[in-house]
Order: sequence, then structure tokens, then C-alpha cells
Amino acid sequence: GQNIDQPTEMTATEGAIVQINCTYQTSGFNGLFWYQQHAGEAPTFLSYNVLDGLEEKGRFSSFLSRSKGYSYLLLKELQMKDSASYLCAVGLRQGGKLIFGQGTELSVKP
Amino acid sequence: GAVVSQHPSRVICKSGTSVKIECRSLDFQATTMFWYRQFPKQSLMLMATSNEGSKATYEQGVEKDKFLINHASLTLSTLTVTSAHPEDSSFYICSARATLAHEQYFGPGTRLTVT
Repeated sequence: GQNIDQPTEMTATEGAIVQINCTYQTSGFNGLFWYQQHAGEAPTFLSYNVLDGLEEKGRFSSFLSRSKGYSYLLLKELQMKDSASYLCAVGLRQGGKLIFGQGTELSVKP
Repeated sequence: GAVVSQHPSRVICKSGTSVKIECRSLDFQATTMFWYRQFPKQSLMLMATSNEGSKATYEQGVEKDKFLINHASLTLSTLTVTSAHPEDSSFYICSARATLAHEQYFGPGTRLTVT
């Protein structure tokens, strides 16, 4: 079966750095995705990692270690608008499906 | 690019009626579309995978006769919730994936309320 774990909620301060961790156990792994979702809205794509290492995209970076079944999303220079739910999702080779973790609710405080 | 639309954005219907939700990829061809359901404070749960021109593949526990999916073209998939009940009230989100692409692009979602 598939199992994805991420913290339920986190709090950070505006301007700071926060790291959201995600661990997974799965078969047929085909990449690790991070999505951002604001309340009442659909998820928006942030990053995709299929090989080990760090991918940087502006203020957001994502890391993957396939041997450890571990990923993290790093958000730098936090802004109030970064308050949202961050969803870790594992891509499966079977049918290109995504299996989502429960999401991490990030609150950015002034 | 990669815009996905959904219609309607909100719908209220009476118990026992059917509701159709449309999902369209506006600027790319989507070989595969996915339908998710999300309850408050919970994550997205995959309901079914829809491939153009073939029958949808449903996840375990999802009733295919209740949630009818049609993917008649490379830019349109529809989800019909038949004989809706209050427990079907949820946020329904579709996503679309272009051929050979990895990422899925999500529609804005449809808030269904069954009274």
C-alpha cells in the first residue's frame, strides 16, 4: 500500500525560513510533487523531484532522497501570503496517479 | 499555459437529484484527467482516473454507478453525481495531465451542497 506522512500544522514568522518534511512508502514510485493550496481553492503546482537532490525555484526549494523515502519543501523569506496548506504527493507509474499526504497547514505570523 | 477550468464552481441541489460537473483543459490536450474529492480540513482523495475514449478506472470504495465519468474528448471530462445525498456534499476537483507530462494541473474546484 501507499503511506505518506507530513506534519499537520506548522507556524513560522514572516521573513524566516521553514522546512516542511514528507516521508513516504510506496511501490511504483514516479516522482514526488509539492502543491500549495489556499483555503477553498484548488492546489497549485510548486515542484517535482524524480531524482535525488535539491531543486531550487525562487524562494521555494524541494529535496528528495529516494533511498530514505524522504522529501522536504523549503520556503525562504516567508511572506504572509505563504500561509496555506502544503501538500506532498507521490506520483505512481501506474496510470500516472498522484497520492496525496494529508497536507501541512502553514501559518505565517508577523 | 496549462489552464484547467471547471463548471459550475458552486452548485446546490436537492437530495435524489443528479449533478453534472465539467472539467476542461483550455490550452492543452489532456490524455488523462483525474477526479478528486476533498472534505473540509482533509487532503485530496483520488476518486477515479479518466482516459479519453475509454472507461474510467475507479479507486477502491468509489461507486462507479453513482459517480459517472465520461471523457469524450481530449479537452473535456464530466463527472455526474447521481441520486445525490447530503453525504456527497464536498469539494470536487479535477486535474488534467498532458501526454508524456508528469505534473497534473488542477481545476478551480466545484463546491457541491446537497440539501
